[in-house]
Amino acid sequence: DQQVKQNSPSLSVQEGRISILNCDYTNSMFDYFLWYKKYPAEGPTFLISISSIKDKNEDGRFTVFLNKSAKHLSLHIVPSQPGDSAVYFCAASAVFRGSGNTGKLIFGQGTTLQVKP
Amino acid sequence: DTAVSQTPKYLVTQMGNDKSIKCEQNLGHDTMYWYKQDSKKFLKIMFSYNNKELIINETVPNRFSPKSPDKAHLNLHINSLELGDSAVYFCASSQEVPPNRPGNEQFFGPGTRLTVL
Repeated sequence: DQQVKQNSPSLSVQEGRISILNCDYTNSMFDYFLWYKKYPAEGPTFLISISSIKDKNEDGRFTVFLNKSAKHLSLHIVPSQPGDSAVYFCAASAVFRGSGNTGKLIFGQGTTLQVKP
Repeated sequence: DTAVSQTPKYLVTQMGNDKSIKCEQNLGHDTMYWYKQDSKKFLKIMFSYNNKELIINETVPNRFSPKSPDKAHLNLHINSLELGDSAVYFCASSQEVPPNRPGNEQFFGPGTRLTVL
């Protein structure tokens, strides 16, 4: 049972336009969400995160939006650049009280973004 | 200067063999992880160590045995390799144990692509 899902395997946008990558989760106990970016033959690198007490976090061209009621988050990249072409992973974690929760990261399967010049 | 490094980058071997993947981090982090990225592209945690102590052990066959000689190294030994073990294995590290919070993001190595024939 996959608790974090990225239903779009790929996305193609024109340089300068907005890229919107989506992520859905099922576990209402998740309280921290991250986006990682991965280039071919490299490991994922941390991009931006958001806590469940916020609904938006911005860092330069990257903005993450969180809709807790819909259990949905999105990453907006504007303006998109060819160097943004990569696989983007959404991840989530939770802090339960007890029950042996380890706070581990649960990843989605990634969305491949292609930004065309 | 590579923060999290893994060797080898590629590993091709026959079924039934025993192999090891090494991981080292020079970030001074206390916690290290092994992830497996399967054919469906999901990144799933396998193990985590904090200061050489096992803190996360997911449902992984006991043919997989992590070893942490010190907090900067976390190696993965796999006995009796099977076809289904073919995947990309990523090592990661973070400053502290999960849960992830600002400042405690995970840093990933470049991955080891294991192919079992």
